[in-house]
Amino acid sequence: AQKVTQAQTEISVVEKEDVTLDCVYETRDTTYYLFWYKQPPSGELVFLIRRNSFDEQNEISGRYSWNFQKSTSSFNFTITASQVVDSAVYFCALSEWNFNKFYFGSGTKLNVKP
Amino acid sequence: DTAVSQTPKYLVTQMGNDKSIKCEQNLGHDTMYWYKQDSKKFLKIMFSYNNKELIINETVPNRFSPKSPDKAHLNLHINSLELGDSAVYFCASSQVGTPGEIHNYGYTFGSGTRLTVV
Repeated sequence: AQKVTQAQTEISVVEKEDVTLDCVYETRDTTYYLFWYKQPPSGELVFLIRRNSFDEQNEISGRYSWNFQKSTSSFNFTITASQVVDSAVYFCALSEWNFNKFYFGSGTKLNVKP
Repeated sequence: DTAVSQTPKYLVTQMGNDKSIKCEQNLGHDTMYWYKQDSKKFLKIMFSYNNKELIINETVPNRFSPKSPDKAHLNLHINSLELGDSAVYFCASSQVGTPGEIHNYGYTFGSGTRLTVV
């Protein structure tokens, strides 16, 4: 069965610190997609990244970077030099190849203090 | 233009009422979904429709009835609202692929509808 675990319920950091949000997933599928979404206090779900199971190349986008390791079934998200505007709940998610099933982790609340 | 739009954004209603939430996507996606986010922020899929056909119904009470008049619309009608139905409901859409294809398929969420039952 598919499952996504975000063991960190809440993290607090001071502005400019680096922070890593952990995501561990379980699936028997060989083709799947992994996602990260940001949910700021305003409530909308903001897409950050999608990674398919065939592409283990790490990705960097500005202050954001993602480390996908199939060997450990992890898809961790690092924010470098965090800012107050990064404060939000971050969700990791896993989908089947056809998106019919989409599994969210329980979310990690990130508090960035000035 | 908003890709996935939901209306209303906020809905406050009394127990026992019937209400609808509308969702429209202009992305040309084949599949649409409804998710429920509870007070603990846990997101769970409720329904999935592909080209107007129901493909997922995740043990949702039959007071909840999705309706898809066309593949760009998926509305959610709720009968006899209960206090426990209070949550944020998200609509989403996606483009379905085939195994092995490596394409940048989208999976886009609406901005959510906060339903409060009093």
